Amino acid sequence: QKEVEQNSGPLSVPEGAIASLNCTYSDRGSQSFFWYRQYSGKSPELIMFIYSNGDKEDGRFTAQLNKASQYVSLLIRDSQPSDSATYLCAVNKETSGSRLTFGEGTQLTVNP
Amino acid sequence: EPEVTQTPSHQVTQMGQEVILRCVPISNHLYFYWYRQILGQKVEFLVSFYNNEISEKSEIFDDQFSVERPDGSNFTLKIRSTKLEDSAMYFCASSSGSGQFFGPGTRLTVL
Repeated sequence: QKEVEQNSGPLSVPEGAIASLNCTYSDRGSQSFFWYRQYSGKSPELIMFIYSNGDKEDGRFTAQLNKASQYVSLLIRDSQPSDSATYLCAVNKETSGSRLTFGEGTQLTVNP
Repeated sequence: EPEVTQTPSHQVTQMGQEVILRCVPISNHLYFYWYRQILGQKVEFLVSFYNNEISEKSEIFDDQFSVERPDGSNFTLKIRSTKLEDSAMYFCASSSGSGQFFGPGTRLTVL
């Protein structure tokens, strides 16, 4: 079983729609959960992190965490073509300092 | 806005040669990391560094690899004898304790 699992996609949504990206993780001891955006040929860019069960909103982005189901998601509202990228889910076992374990990423395309 | 910087952006080397990849983390950060990403694959952890010593390393980080913080600003990754399979993007990251911020990466090509 992969430690962090994401649908590879590609996920295609029209401009203005909601994009929903999902991630599951295998280690129940995981404490912190991160979403990164990676444009082709570029480095991962931190979008959001979440520690507690529930929702966390930042602008057009909402992260959702359900530790009982070992599930974390990212919603992107009012998707723009500039949101087209690969979205990486990452987890670590502590709230600070420890390694990130990444999923393979979901490729999102937002069509104008 | 402060950012992590890395040099060089691209390094080409012959198999068996030593390479040093350089990073300048964000100045008030305390945790430093190296990750790598082989083309088309996921980002993989190599090593973390805190309080002037390695705090964690992966199975990839064998005796061929070493890290150093030679002064108050730089953080380096040395690969002693490069192999073809070391070809990848190498990312440095730093953190103040929550999210990790990545540099632009060094593309290492081993011929």
